Amino acid sequence: GENVEQHPSTLSVQEGDSAVIKCTYSDSASNYFPWYKQELGKRPQLIIDIRSNVGEKKDQRIAVTLNKTAKHFSLHITETQPEDSAVYFCAATLPRVTGGGNKLTFGTGTQLKVEL
Amino acid sequence: DARVTQTPRHKVTEMGQEVTMRCQPILGHNTVFWYRQTMMQGLELLAYFRNRAPLDDSGMPKDRFSAEMPDATLATLKIQPSEPRDSAVYFCASGLVNLNTEAFFGQGTRLTVV
Repeated sequence: GENVEQHPSTLSVQEGDSAVIKCTYSDSASNYFPWYKQELGKRPQLIIDIRSNVGEKKDQRIAVTLNKTAKHFSLHITETQPEDSAVYFCAATLPRVTGGGNKLTFGTGTQLKVEL
Repeated sequence: DARVTQTPRHKVTEMGQEVTMRCQPILGHNTVFWYRQTMMQGLELLAYFRNRAPLDDSGMPKDRFSAEMPDATLATLKIQPSEPRDSAVYFCASGLVNLNTEAFFGQGTRLTVV
């Protein structure tokens, strides 16, 4: 099965700075990589995702990069704001033909704190 | 605004009691997941259904946990008997297997076993 590692486990940045969270996956067949944000006491919600046929994707202040050769992907948040404070989870999904079909394997999460 | 609905939102029970958590997936979704979230273990996959058939429940303690989908609009996760170490937030999520896309999470059930 798939295994996803995520670093760092905690990250503290000053407001306005950038934050980077990195994940690695084990199965080269994985082809879909979503990122979820979970605010305290709430459910995880998708913030951005990337498929294996794309190397980078951007949505306003957040971007995700994917290196298939190295089997790692990263979340980049620029101009961080206090409301970005949350736990962020990366995930990897094996394609349906190998029995996956959006069976998400999550990383262990990164607690991001944006300080004023 | 389609959402995954979970009940109850909170449950406090005594050790040894049976606990049943329910989930209504988004209409039309054909995959359902149960995840358990604790501070120590993050998001653990307990069970995974596709078209109501259980595909993977390897993450679930078989002696006390059971997961079912009696119909396409209801998924259940049962713990019998419950133990204090089962205290966690249990999330249900649903998605579409035909498109390898995101899973939508419910609000979760916060279970406390005393």
